[in-house]
Amino acid sequence: AQTVTQSQPEMSVQEAETVTLSCTYDTSESDYYLFWYKQPPSRQMILVIRQEAYKQQNATENRFSVNFQKAAKSFSLKISDSQLGDAAMYFCARSLYGQNFVFGPGTRLSVLP
Amino acid sequence: EPEVTQTPSHQVTQMGQEVILRCVPISNHLYFYWYRQILGQKVEFLVSFYNNEISEKSEIFDDQFSVERPDGSNFTLKIRSTKLEDSAMYFCATEQERTEAFFGQGTRLTVV
Repeated sequence: AQTVTQSQPEMSVQEAETVTLSCTYDTSESDYYLFWYKQPPSRQMILVIRQEAYKQQNATENRFSVNFQKAAKSFSLKISDSQLGDAAMYFCARSLYGQNFVFGPGTRLSVLP
Repeated sequence: EPEVTQTPSHQVTQMGQEVILRCVPISNHLYFYWYRQILGQKVEFLVSFYNNEISEKSEIFDDQFSVERPDGSNFTLKIRSTKLEDSAMYFCATEQERTEAFFGQGTRLTVV
């Protein structure tokens, strides 16, 4: 089965500190996309960052960066200088070219003032 | 910035009633999806739609569900006879190419 695993149901971080959320996935394909989505209490789904599997360079978006380890099928999200507004559920997702998204179970991130 | 719009934001319905959830995709997007998220659980794929037909559907998407794009703009999800377990957040997502889905803000469906 094609799965996405997030082993941390909950994480907390002190404001202004750095936190890393883990994600592993299973696929036999070589071409795919990986995403982190943020879901705040409003329950919207907001794209945080995405990574194309064929790119070796890790994606970065302002305070958000990923550590993509293709051989290990690992895709962790690092949030630097955490802010109170970062508190949310974070979902890792994988999309195979031409197929739909598969989401992980999510990690609830709390940011402590 | 273009966005996917879903209506209504919250729908309360009685068990056994039909509901239609609506989604207005980003104008040049070609691929459309419905996902659902039962409270406290992960986001689950329901169905994908391309070129006016279903391209893939999950086990969840049984005969009580249907999708259509009746007027070339709105993309709808119909649940024919709602059950209590259909209570969830329903997300529409659209893509121009199969690389990045833009999600709507979701419709919270409550079946009572």
